[in-house]
Amino acid sequence: AQSVTQPDIHITVSEGASLELRCNYSYGATPYLFWYVQSPGQGLQLLLKYFSGDTLVQGIKGFEAEFKRSQSSFNLRKPSVHWSDAAEYFCAVGSYGGATNKLIFGTGTLLAVQP
Amino acid sequence: DTEVTQTPKHLVMGMTNKKSLKCEQHMGHRAMYWYKQKAKKPPELMFVYSYEKLSINESVPSRFSPECPNSSLLNLHLHALQPEDSALYLCASSQEGLTIFEAEAFFGQGTRLTVV
Repeated sequence: AQSVTQPDIHITVSEGASLELRCNYSYGATPYLFWYVQSPGQGLQLLLKYFSGDTLVQGIKGFEAEFKRSQSSFNLRKPSVHWSDAAEYFCAVGSYGGATNKLIFGTGTLLAVQP
Repeated sequence: DTEVTQTPKHLVMGMTNKKSLKCEQHMGHRAMYWYKQKAKKPPELMFVYSYEKLSINESVPSRFSPECPNSSLLNLHLHALQPEDSALYLCASSQEGLTIFEAEAFFGQGTRLTVV
């Protein structure tokens, strides 16, 4: 079965420091992968997605992610974190099944940003 | 307009009450979703509608009853809920007809439901 693992439950970084959030997936074929961000009490916003092609994907808000098939990973990165990036980040994999595809989310990584 | 609008934002209901959550989008999306999110947990899929027809029910208890009256609206009717049903209920929509993963899923801000 398809699954997503986010090993880090909580990460704290200093403002201006670089960031990498880890995501590992389990999927038999080429996966469709997503990163979403959720601010407290809010819905989810798509940061970026990978379907095929270039393994380095650029997203909104200065985020990027790299798909590494050999490591079954899709880590999210940002070179310089801003205080407004503090939020929960969810990695997700697309799952095929039945009439409609669906997203399977990882457990999330809560990012805190220190001034 | 790239918004999914959910009402109400907050809802407190008793275990004997009947209430409804509403979701609306005007992006022409033909797939709409209900997710349930408990505190500090990822969203869990409840229902999927495709072209106004229920296509996925993730074994959700019958006290949750979805309805898709037209392509822009999605409702979730609630009856005889339990306190453990308290959660953030998220609605989402996406294009259909394409592979879903070629289309972005847009989420609403959610309804924070408390069952007392």
